[in-house]
Amino acid sequence: SAVISQKPSRDICQRGTSLTIQCQVDSQVTMMFWYRQQPGQSLTLIATANQGSEATYESGFVIDKFPISRPNLTFSTLTVSNMSPEDSSIYLCSVERDGLYGYTFGSGTRLTVV
Amino acid sequence: GQNIDQPTEMTATEGAIVQINCTYQTSGFNGLFWYQQHAGEAPTFLSYNVLDGLEEKGRFSSFLSRSKGYSYLLLKELQMKDSASYLCAVNYNFNKFYFGSGTKLNVKP
Repeated sequence: SAVISQKPSRDICQRGTSLTIQCQVDSQVTMMFWYRQQPGQSLTLIATANQGSEATYESGFVIDKFPISRPNLTFSTLTVSNMSPEDSSIYLCSVERDGLYGYTFGSGTRLTVV
Repeated sequence: GQNIDQPTEMTATEGAIVQINCTYQTSGFNGLFWYQQHAGEAPTFLSYNVLDGLEEKGRFSSFLSRSKGYSYLLLKELQMKDSASYLCAVNYNFNKFYFGSGTKLNVKP
């Protein structure tokens, strides 16, 4: 399966600031996905990131708040902008499992906004 | 999203069998997945069903009924390390995953 390196693993940020989360994959993948997992809840898809085109956002998520970059087939970033305490969550990136069905997840970024 | 429903929490005894159910909206269905997530860790893949029936993989089995929009994950010979959240996820229209709210399984001695 693809190996995903996600960083930072955790951060504590001041409200009003922004944090950029990076995901590096050890093989080329067409689509990368960004999820949010709020405390005690399941995963919610934020957006799908394709190389060479703008990310596709799910209902309730907008580009101004969660800008995404996908400069090549092995890398993507998610920025959480103008943070508030409600943004405190775990953020995960995921990719397809080497052509198999199902997805592999990065180790996650635990964000706390104070 | 997509009305994926599973019980919030279950408790079972070490060595026993437990069944975790999941129901989902059938329109656009392209496969159902079960993930295990230990506290503070990323989800890990357990099983995949796209056709009706039972898929067995060691102590874990997963069942699917596409017409009913229903799946279950069966865990046999429960071990303490099986205490985790179990997430049901459905692939819709070949390109998106939606997750249920997760079932927290507590295995007691």
